[in-house]
Order: sequence, then C-alpha cells, then structure tokens
Amino acid sequence: RKEVEQDPGPFNVPEGATVAFNCTYSNSASQSFFWYRQDCRKEPKLLMSVYSSGNEDGRFTAQLNRASQYISLLIRDSKLSDSATYLCVVRKAGTALIFGKGTTLSVSS
Amino acid sequence: GAVVSQHPSRVICKSGTSVKIECRSLDFQATTMFWYRQFPKQSLMLMATSNEGSKATYEQGVEKDKFLINHASLTLSTLTVTSAHPEDSSFYICSANGVLVGSAREQYFGPGTRLTVT
Repeated sequence: RKEVEQDPGPFNVPEGATVAFNCTYSNSASQSFFWYRQDCRKEPKLLMSVYSSGNEDGRFTAQLNRASQYISLLIRDSKLSDSATYLCVVRKAGTALIFGKGTTLSVSS
Repeated sequence: GAVVSQHPSRVICKSGTSVKIECRSLDFQATTMFWYRQFPKQSLMLMATSNEGSKATYEQGVEKDKFLINHASLTLSTLTVTSAHPEDSSFYICSANGVLVGSAREQYFGPGTRLTVT
C-alpha cells in the first residue's frame, strides 16, 4: 500500500464550481500534513498546511481527520488559474516530505 | 522568502556520460537537503537525504554509486548521475529545510532540473 493515496482525476469543472479532493495516508506516525500545488513541468509549491481543527485560506479549505487518516481540500468558486495538479503531502518528524501522486484539476470557462 | 536554486534547469546528455546537478540555498543555511525524482505523471519520489558534512542517506532502491551526492557546505548540495542511461531521464528536484515553523521546518523547493539522456 502506498504511503499517500489520492484520486488522480482528472477533475474537469467549470469556472465557479466547488471541487473537493481526498487523500489517505497509511503511516499513523505522520505528524505534518500539507497540500502542494504543482503546475506542469514546475516544482511543487506549498498551498497550505493542514491541521486537525481545519483551516481556511480564502477559497481553499483543508481538513484533517487523524483517526481515519484522511485529508481533504475544498476549492470554492474555481478559477481558471486553479488548473494544476494538487499534491497531498505528509511528513513524519524530522524526515522528508512524502508525496501523493497528485490530483489533476482542469477548470474551464 | 527563502530561495533554493538549481543548475542547470535543463540538460541533455548522451548515454554513458555523467551529469552534475547543483542545489543552492541562496539566503539561508541548509544543514539538510533532499533530492527527489519525478517521472511523467508520477509523484515526487524521495531519492536521498543529504546532510552537510556527512554521507547521504539513500532510499531503498536508489543506487548510491550511481547517484553521487555531496553536501560540502551549508548552502550547496550536488547530485551527480553517473553513467546516465535513457531510463534516468526524469525531473530532479531538490529541497532544503529552512527555519522552524512551529515544530516543523518549512521545506523550500528548487525549480527542478529536467534531464534527458539520449
């Protein structure tokens, strides 16, 4: 079983739509959780950290459920510029980041 | 914010040659750097952890004699792909641990190096 699993998509949505991505992780020792965004042929960029209490950054809301080892990302009012691959990422203390395969989002006008 | 640079950004080489990729932290010292590899439509896979002044720690399945890592200073780590073959063609990305944010260190990524072996 992979350490981080995501639905690869692609998710094709119109502008203004709300879209949700899910992710599960296998290692209960994971301590930090993130969503990264990766554009084609570019390095990943941190979108937001994810906390058990849930956190929001503008149109983006992330949730973490440690009991079920589940992470989610909700994007409201999708923009064309949101088109990218969204990577679910976990880390155990003091180690490198472990990336999921990514979920591809395509927002069309 | 912190910046990590990589050089070269793109390289094409012939099979059997060696290629060196540099990763630099530009405005901070990085005692630990990480090297990842990403094949098309795949996730970033950790290859090795590079610690300044000591030997790198390689992930299972990564040949240390083929992927030579040197972290000779607090701002520079290099990855040398020796005797490159077409199957080594990939996107190589480094990252560096920055300052503590809470209990974790934020990680900064370089822009990546696209290697094509012909």
